[in-house]
Amino acid sequence: EIVMTQSPATLSVSPGDRATLSCRASQSVSSFLAWYQQKPGQAPRLVIFTASTRATGIPDRFSGSGSGTEFTLTISSLQSEDFAVYFCQQYSIWPPTFGPGTKVDV
Amino acid sequence: EVQLVESGGGLVQPGGSLRLSCTASELSFSTYWMGWVRQAPGKGLEWVANIKQDGSQRYYVDSVKGRFTISRDNAKNSLYLQMNSLRAEDTAVYYCVADRSGNYPYWGQGTLVTVSS
Repeated sequence: EIVMTQSPATLSVSPGDRATLSCRASQSVSSFLAWYQQKPGQAPRLVIFTASTRATGIPDRFSGSGSGTEFTLTISSLQSEDFAVYFCQQYSIWPPTFGPGTKVDV
Repeated sequence: EVQLVESGGGLVQPGGSLRLSCTASELSFSTYWMGWVRQAPGKGLEWVANIKQDGSQRYYVDSVKGRFTISRDNAKNSLYLQMNSLRAEDTAVYYCVADRSGNYPYWGQGTLVTVSS
């Protein structure tokens, strides 16, 4: 099973700041990497798939990059609605696995 | 707008059974792999199972193999998860997901399963 790790566990930022979240896979997952946003009491929402493709309705301040084992989610200018937990997920090798999440808060 | 609506969660004793259901609307249901992802209270996400469009292939996380069964009824746009021999560690919110080549663009609101005596 591929183990996904994320850093930092918590990212304390202010509105308007740039946020950079990291995700690492224990072995190469090529570009089969997705990012999800989860707010308290809500289901996760797909943000990025295939490492860098924004999902429908996701604003362009969100961008993803990376391939192989190292990936980054960047939020260029944080808005109040972006404060949430972000999970990465690999879907290259069965079973699909998620990272433990990065909480973005004030 | 695509909607996935789960039902069937609740409190069950260890060793008991529950059947979760998920009904899809505004989704071309029969063209998607479908699956279940769970989240224990305060924890991360765990993929549980998925099923091919025609039901001919089903896959499970090791921890539920032999206890859970995923199924679907395309005529009813519905997905199911039969959970037997439930354990405390199965306690979680269970999300129904539409699976697009391994990522999940659509999620239900989740249904809570609590296994406790």
